[in-house]
Amino acid sequence: NAGVTQTPKFQVLKTGQSMTLQCAQDMNHNSMYWYRQDPGMGLRLIYYSASEGTTDKGEVPNGYNVSRLNKREFSLRLESAAPSQTSVYFCASRRGTETYEQYFGPGTRLTVT
Amino acid sequence: QKEVEQDPGPLSVPEGAIVSLNCTYSNSAFQYFMWYRQYSRKGPELLMYTYSSGNKEDGRFTAQVDKSSKYISLFIRDSQPSDSATYLCAMSGGGSGGSYIPTFGRGTSLIVHP
Repeated sequence: NAGVTQTPKFQVLKTGQSMTLQCAQDMNHNSMYWYRQDPGMGLRLIYYSASEGTTDKGEVPNGYNVSRLNKREFSLRLESAAPSQTSVYFCASRRGTETYEQYFGPGTRLTVT
Repeated sequence: QKEVEQDPGPLSVPEGAIVSLNCTYSNSAFQYFMWYRQYSRKGPELLMYTYSSGNKEDGRFTAQVDKSSKYISLFIRDSQPSDSATYLCAMSGGGSGGSYIPTFGRGTSLIVHP
């Protein structure tokens, strides 16, 4: 049981390049989330998926798109990376019923030059 | 003003000390209160979870919620160097289904030195 996995662990992009961050969970959770974490800013929600087939914007969605591929997988895409998107990205999942615990992945460290 | 305020620290204490970590909030609709621990270069993990007001104890950790003051605390007794991490508070107003969205504090960095 791996929990929440994220790939890649590290990535360096040039401004304007695109990439997709992958996230998968094996806990049969309904809800999945993408956060970014910057020094002094805490965790900020980018997008979330309350259940398979639905996605909604969070606090900082500009410059990102998401896909809930199936119940297990939730990807985050940067179409045209900018230096302001340099951050650590965390994926999280939650069972979705009567619980509030989120399980986080190990994170992806992204640098945009 | 952010909905959840948390002093970023760092808070440096000697091994064995009692540690008090705190958050204040402004949204009176918050009912669920959580503390996450995040080691360096790792994802957050849930440490404690409480509903509404009161105390909850788990080993060396005690979570306390005072809704009248909009103030929550995490106490760590007999702190150990392995407790050195960033502690994030999170809270939510609750809600059914899958659209639960917690609001996180910025995190407090704790250093416990031997």
